[in-house]
Amino acid sequence: ETGVTQSPTHLIKTRGQQVTLRCSSQSGHNTVSWYQQALGQGPQFIFQYYREEENGRGNFPPRFSGLQFPNYSSELNVNALELDDSALYLCASSTLTSGGPGGGELFFGEGSRLTVL
Amino acid sequence: AQSVTQPDIHITVSEGASLELRCNYSYGATPYLFWYVQSPGQGLQLLLKYFSGDTLVQGIKGFEAEFKRSQSSFNLRKPSVHWSDAAEYFCAARGGGYNKLIFGAGTRLAVHP
Repeated sequence: ETGVTQSPTHLIKTRGQQVTLRCSSQSGHNTVSWYQQALGQGPQFIFQYYREEENGRGNFPPRFSGLQFPNYSSELNVNALELDDSALYLCASSTLTSGGPGGGELFFGEGSRLTVL
Repeated sequence: AQSVTQPDIHITVSEGASLELRCNYSYGATPYLFWYVQSPGQGLQLLLKYFSGDTLVQGIKGFEAEFKRSQSSFNLRKPSVHWSDAAEYFCAARGGGYNKLIFGAGTRLAVHP
């Protein structure tokens, strides 16, 4: 039990639709990062939010966007859904330091499984 | 480009046997290294991590990993596997700065009774 909760756990959308996934971070954590895990693959970094601003992004198009709120919870939004967006979306919370080993062990939620038909 | 490679997609061992899961990394400098475990339908749980110092790292659930700079490897080991260890195992690496992890593709472990 990591204290990171994600919702919804499962959802089905059709191509072209939009989706919002939510994440509540562990108490005391100020940083949230999102990962996409396609079937049979390792998680891929989407982006990270710190103090309500995006401060790192992986190789994902702009239709993947996010928000972080003052309570450090976060949303991942995906517009114009494509079939390849079907995946498990993982949220991880941590504390951010200016690099170094103390910089944030990541605590993962159980994920939101998105199916795009 | 930075990358993490797990050469074994599937491994099957008998309960009580020893286990070694391989991980190789490609980074400009020595990254911070991690092993995570994922059970079906669950998120990722951290088993252990290496930042610096002693190259043999102890983790939870009886796992350990050895960092070998000359081989760019960080292999996970367990002397005696339990049926409950059946899961998917991911090796990951992180450079300095923000918390972006680069994951390998994972190794699925099956345990026979």
